[in-house]
Amino acid sequence: NAGVTQTPKFRVLKTGQSMTLLCAQDMNHEYMYWYRQDPGMGLRLIHYSVGEGTTAKGEVPDGYNVSRLKKQNFLLGLESAAPSQTSVYFCASSQRGTSGINEQFFGPGTRLTVL
Amino acid sequence: AQSVAQPEDQVNVAEGNPLTVKCTYSVSGNPYLFWYVQYPNRGLQFLLKYITGDNLVKGSYGFEAEFNKSQTSFHLKKPSALVSDSALYFCAVRDRGGGSYIPTFGRGTSLIVHP
Repeated sequence: NAGVTQTPKFRVLKTGQSMTLLCAQDMNHEYMYWYRQDPGMGLRLIHYSVGEGTTAKGEVPDGYNVSRLKKQNFLLGLESAAPSQTSVYFCASSQRGTSGINEQFFGPGTRLTVL
Repeated sequence: AQSVAQPEDQVNVAEGNPLTVKCTYSVSGNPYLFWYVQYPNRGLQFLLKYITGDNLVKGSYGFEAEFNKSQTSFHLKKPSALVSDSALYFCAVRDRGGGSYIPTFGRGTSLIVHP
């Protein structure tokens, strides 16, 4: 099993450009998440999904959109990139389980720089 | 509401000495607690979790954590540190009584083990 994979690993954008980050998991997990990690800020949740076709906002959703058309994939879109979106983006997934007791599995991250 | 604090940005320890990485939490009900480790340029990896039962939880790579309800703490420990334990450590909490299945992460503690 590949676990959680993220595409691309690195990307440099100019302000105003758009892009989509792809997350894929092969563990048949119901829940998927997108986080951003910035120095001194820890992990902040952008959006999450509790199942195919459903998405919800996290702590810092502004400037991002997501889609979960297939259970195994969770896409994060930046419609008009801004320098404040320079960050490392992590995708994660977890089983549904009982009341959130299951740990998350993380992808290797995407390092995004917006100039 | 749920929150978690990691009061130390950095912990330094000599190889072979015991290590402790601190975590305190706040929940309205009872907590589910998690520790993750992040090696440089990698995603987070699950170490251990407390759900219920024995207050001392054993996890991967010789790590353990002690749940202390009266002090609302879940400190990560290892009897003998290795240089290879040097990494960023994250504590996370989920309130059992909360409406969301989403955990809250601390800001992380950088552990540096000196040879």
